[in-house]
Amino acid sequence: QKEVEKDPGPLSVPEGAIVSLNCTYSNSAFQYFMWYRQYSRKGPELLMYTYSSGNKEDGRFTAQVDKSSKYISLFIRDSQPSDSATYLCAMSPLNTGNQFYFGTGTSLTVIP
Amino acid sequence: ETGVTQTPRHLVMGMTNKKSLKCEQHLGHNAMYWYKQSAKKPLELMFVYNFKEQTENNSVPSRFSPECPNSSHLFLHLHTLQPEDSALYLCASSQDTAYAEGGELFFGEGSRLTVL
Repeated sequence: QKEVEKDPGPLSVPEGAIVSLNCTYSNSAFQYFMWYRQYSRKGPELLMYTYSSGNKEDGRFTAQVDKSSKYISLFIRDSQPSDSATYLCAMSPLNTGNQFYFGTGTSLTVIP
Repeated sequence: ETGVTQTPRHLVMGMTNKKSLKCEQHLGHNAMYWYKQSAKKPLELMFVYNFKEQTENNSVPSRFSPECPNSSHLFLHLHTLQPEDSALYLCASSQDTAYAEGGELFFGEGSRLTVL
């Protein structure tokens, strides 16, 4: 059984577009939600995290969690070519030590 | 040296070979992990070590054998692998395995393994 699903990708958008990346999940115990960014030939790096439902903003990036719908989103405003990467959602039930559950990732290309 | 370093970056091996992947972290973290990343699949957690002790083994075949001699070094010994084991193997570290505010995995760049 898949714990984390994602919307189909990959995505290709023009520079300046608003990008929406999404993941759905089935485990209601998940409480910690993260987005990792992975550039080509690099390891993933943490982009944003949140513990609760609602929005969290960091510059051009907004993470949104809807626990009632078991749905998380990452919005990128004014997308730049440097945002071209694979975006991985990850989530975890807290207090279980070390279980991160990752999605398959969405490849994003921002065209100049 | 900073962050998490993995060697080799690329490895090609036959099914009868024995090889090892190495990971070193310079972050002073207590927990280290091996993940497998295959195309169109989620990152798969393979092994977790906390203070050099293995705390997780997610039903990984015995042809993968981890070793953690200290909190800074982690190895993945490979023997009699199958072509379906070809993937990117990522090492990660974290401060500890109990997530606190802003808990984060720090990944290396990965070792790309091809099994012929």
